[in-house]
Amino acid sequence: DIQMTQSPSSVSASVGDRVTITCRASQGISSWLAWYQQKPGKAPKLLIYAASSLQSGVPSRFSGSGSGTDFTLTISSLQPEDFATYYCQQANSFPRTFGPGTKVDIK
Amino acid sequence: EVQLVESGGGLVKPGGSLRLSCAASGFTFSSYSMNWVRQAPGKGLEWVSSISSSSSYIYYADSVKGRFTISRDNAKNSLYLQMNSLRAEDTAVYYCAREGDSYEIDYWGQGTLVTVSS
Repeated sequence: DIQMTQSPSSVSASVGDRVTITCRASQGISSWLAWYQQKPGKAPKLLIYAASSLQSGVPSRFSGSGSGTDFTLTISSLQPEDFATYYCQQANSFPRTFGPGTKVDIK
Repeated sequence: EVQLVESGGGLVKPGGSLRLSCAASGFTFSSYSMNWVRQAPGKGLEWVSSISSSSSYIYYADSVKGRFTISRDNAKNSLYLQMNSLRAEDTAVYYCAREGDSYEIDYWGQGTLVTVSS
């Protein structure tokens, strides 16, 4: 099985900050990686698919990069509605696996 | 508008069974692979099972293999998860989720809570 790790596990940031979250796969997954945002009590929401493709309707301040084993989600200018938990997920093979999540909260 | 609506959750005793359903609308259900993903209280996301559009390919997480069965009825635009031999560690919100063209999960239901407790 492919293991996914994320760093940091949590980050405190202010509105307007640039935030970068890293995701690493235990083996190469090409660009088969997605990023999700989840707010408390809500279902996850797709942000990025295929490592760098922005899902329709998602603000352009979100971007993704990487391939192989190392990936990054960047929020260029943090907005109040962005405080949430972010998960990466590999879509290269079964079983699908998620990272443990990164909580972005208010400094 | 894509909609996925889960039902069937509830309280069940250890060793018991439960069947979850997901009603899909707003897209051609028979053209998409579907998934179940769960989230234990206060924990992260865990993929549970996947079924291809024509049910030809089915996959399970090791944690549920042999106990859970995923199925679908394309004529009824519905996805199911039959859960047997339930354990306390199966307690979670279960999400029905559509798989997109790049194998991402592009749409999620609102979730249904399954609680396994005596």
